[in-house]
Amino acid sequence: AQTVTQSQPEMSVQEAETVTLSCTYDTSESDYYLFWYKQPPSRQMILVIRQEAYKQQNATENRFSVNFQKAAKSFSLKISDSQLGDAAMYFCAPGSYKLIFGSGTRLLVRP
Amino acid sequence: GAGVSQSPRYKVAKRGQDVALRCDPISGHVSLFWYQQALGQGPEFLTYFQNEAQLDKSGLPSDRFFAERPEGSVSTLKIQRTQQEDSAVYLCASSLSAGAYEQYFGPGTRLTVT
Repeated sequence: AQTVTQSQPEMSVQEAETVTLSCTYDTSESDYYLFWYKQPPSRQMILVIRQEAYKQQNATENRFSVNFQKAAKSFSLKISDSQLGDAAMYFCAPGSYKLIFGSGTRLLVRP
Repeated sequence: GAGVSQSPRYKVAKRGQDVALRCDPISGHVSLFWYQQALGQGPEFLTYFQNEAQLDKSGLPSDRFFAERPEGSVSTLKIQRTQQEDSAVYLCASSLSAGAYEQYFGPGTRLTVT
């Protein structure tokens, strides 16, 4: 069975600073992808960034980047220049088609 | 273009009632997924369609749960004889192609069983 662990239930960051959210997973799949999703209080799940497991190069998307360590099964998300609008629940979700979600990390952004 | 839409957004059902939740995916999206999200938790996979074919229903919690996508577009998740433990947000997602492509989520239907 696949499992996803997000060990930080809540994180806080000062506006304009950098924060890293951690995620580890376990999977028996050989070909899979990894995603970070953001869920604001409105509950609409929004895709933040995508990483193909076969690629060694870490994905980046504007202020968002990942540190993907395949052997360690680690997939952390770094948010640079944090903004008030980044405040939300963040979910790590690997999968080959269906996604397995972690329990989430609540990110608070202090003005 | 329009995103994934779900209706109703909120549903209150008395225990034992049947409910039907609708999902309209993004036009042209081949894959459609249903997830269940309990309060304070991450979503959990329920079922997966590729066009009209239900390829994986391993996450459906019991035989009271049934999903269909008869024409490969709109999907309905039906829950028969609802129980209190069915209370959750039901999320629908669609993706352009088969496999692990980006999934785009709808706003969800919050089901409360009293």
